[in-house]
Amino acid sequence: DTAVSQTPKYLVTQMGNDKSIKCEQNLGHDTMYWYKQDSKKFLKIMFSYNNKELIINETVPNRFSPKSPDKAHLNLHINSLELGDSAVYFCASSQGSGVRETQYFGPGTRLLVL
Amino acid sequence: SQQGEEDPQALSIQEGENATMNCSYKTSINNLQWYRQNSGRGLVHLILIRSNEREKHSGRLRVTLDTSKKSSSLLITASRAADTASYFCATGARNSGGYQKVTFGTGTKLQVIP
Repeated sequence: DTAVSQTPKYLVTQMGNDKSIKCEQNLGHDTMYWYKQDSKKFLKIMFSYNNKELIINETVPNRFSPKSPDKAHLNLHINSLELGDSAVYFCASSQGSGVRETQYFGPGTRLLVL
Repeated sequence: SQQGEEDPQALSIQEGENATMNCSYKTSINNLQWYRQNSGRGLVHLILIRSNEREKHSGRLRVTLDTSKKSSSLLITASRAADTASYFCATGARNSGGYQKVTFGTGTKLQVIP
């Protein structure tokens, strides 16, 4: 069974559209994350939720809105998509948000904005 | 600003040789982790070393940490073709809210030639 799953795996859309990416983890973890990996493979944290509460919110345009309906899900909604949003988005989870917690990553969602 | 800088950016070796990757960072950390990413996949956790540890082993992996130099190295011994992947270091530190923030380096792309 997949521990951290994301849907869709690929997303190709036009500039200006609104889209959502979903993430689910079945590990029983209480902390979830969204990362963006750009074309140069640089991986940057966007958001983190602990028990459905936002605990990390990096400098991300407010077109990006995460939503955590429960501990096992963290969705990412993006409004008014721009060309620069093209990247691979990774969801991750960990048990706890302490400094020794290993993060488990999903397979990624490849977003291409045309 | 980006925390981890990895060196080399790319490394190509013959199967059976050892591969060494280095990571340097800028600020104080609580721990440092190494992750592996196969092409088109999510990241997989390899090993974590705490800031009060100097060396750690896991199978064919050996990680060192020098907090005075703010650097770490990952050694893969007796490399195999299946080790071909990108390797990322990730530093863990508490943010202003007391939660762990993990910052990833730029990655080293390792190719092991059979």
